Amino acid sequence: AQSVAQPEDQVNVAEGNPLTVKCTYSVSGNPYLFWYVQYPNRGLQFLLKYITGDNLVKGSYGFEAEFNKSQTSFHLKKPSALVSDSALYFCAVRVREGGGNKLTFGTGTQLKVEL
Amino acid sequence: GAGVSQSPSNKVTEKGKDVELRCDPISGHTALYWYRQSLGQGLEFLIYFQGNSAPDKSGLPSDRFSAERTGGSVSTLTIQRTQQEDSAVYLCASSLARTNYNEQFFGPGTRLTVL
Repeated sequence: AQSVAQPEDQVNVAEGNPLTVKCTYSVSGNPYLFWYVQYPNRGLQFLLKYITGDNLVKGSYGFEAEFNKSQTSFHLKKPSALVSDSALYFCAVRVREGGGNKLTFGTGTQLKVEL
Repeated sequence: GAGVSQSPSNKVTEKGKDVELRCDPISGHTALYWYRQSLGQGLEFLIYFQGNSAPDKSGLPSDRFSAERTGGSVSTLTIQRTQQEDSAVYLCASSLARTNYNEQFFGPGTRLTVL
């Protein structure tokens, strides 16, 4: 079985401050990890993914995420938040070997960036 | 190019009626997924199609739910005898399926309300 936990329903941050959206995962095997963002009344958009190699992954709109195998985490970060980053963020995991076709999503974290 | 499209964008129906939701994937994408997004519950995997292979139906919540994919392109999700708990946003996604770490591209969703 595979699962994803996003422990915070909402994260509030001031514009210009760094932001972190937390994600931990559980899989039997090695994971592929993804972050997606959902803006109001729009579909999910891919942000970034970890496949293998460098634990720090850089993605769209200045976002990055760090894969930490010992802590089974894949937290999303951005050095300086923008009001336009306000959206719903989803972490997702897929096991590399023998996991079938299922991408398992977390319940989402609402990010609110204020002036 | 064109992204994933879904129709209708909104559907209101009465309990007990059947509904059909349509998804047009990105041209050339052989993998197609259906998810259900309920408030506070993240994305729930429903079904996966890959080329001419038998679909992975492991996420369908009951036998009232079914899906088809004709000609390897357009897909229809059918819900028979709708119940109020079926109310949700139904999302379709497609991807290139050469590897299982390709990101998925999502449509805007169909918001289903069962009265």
